[in-house]
Amino acid sequence: GAGVSQSPRYKVAKRGQDVALRCDPISGHVSLFWYQQALGQGPEFLTYFQNEAQLDKSGLPSDRFFAERPEGSVSTLKIQRTQQEDSAVYLCASSWRENEQFFGPGTRLTVL
Amino acid sequence: AQTVTQSQPEMSVQEAETVTLSCTYDTSESNYYLFWYKQPPSRQMILVIRQEAYKQQNATENRFSVNFQKAAKSFSLKISDSQLGDTAMYFCAFMNSPYSGGGADGLTFGKGTHLIIQP
Repeated sequence: GAGVSQSPRYKVAKRGQDVALRCDPISGHVSLFWYQQALGQGPEFLTYFQNEAQLDKSGLPSDRFFAERPEGSVSTLKIQRTQQEDSAVYLCASSWRENEQFFGPGTRLTVL
Repeated sequence: AQTVTQSQPEMSVQEAETVTLSCTYDTSESNYYLFWYKQPPSRQMILVIRQEAYKQQNATENRFSVNFQKAAKSFSLKISDSQLGDTAMYFCAFMNSPYSGGGADGLTFGKGTHLIIQP
């Protein structure tokens, strides 16, 4: 079956613009995770959903970051008023059991 | 909070050699999972191998095996008969068990080791 997909794969935004990043998890996967990966670094946890419930958002770096998963499937990560330090690869992962996550290809965000 | 440390930013070996990537972690939890993920250039992260902390037996997956030393909080990855396709960033990662009472949470990753397999 299809893996985790993310769109767009690349996004260039001017500083101050809002962006929305989409994640389509593997069908049937209950859990969904967002990570931020800065250049040359390991991914850092942002937020976690179980179905439509956002159970942990402790990793979101500021209130400009917002994530939702209204129907328990597709998720959107929104960044308002983007800043240069938001430039990174944003990874989405899904799992049907918490100890094995399958990652998407990521969205590379560049803020100019 | 958990931390994961990978002390080797880059390693280079010849094809067919055996290579070991090191990883140490810090946690006060007793139930957790450890992972090694591979991230090839411009390609997505894939799981290489997984270890449950309650299992004493080291996990193996074909050419990949781990040396899990719980008391020392060490989790190294050994790649045998290395191949050109093994060239990638390798990340060690930690996750609390969702059954430990703290609920599920995300993975905590190390900074990665860039492994280069030379022909």
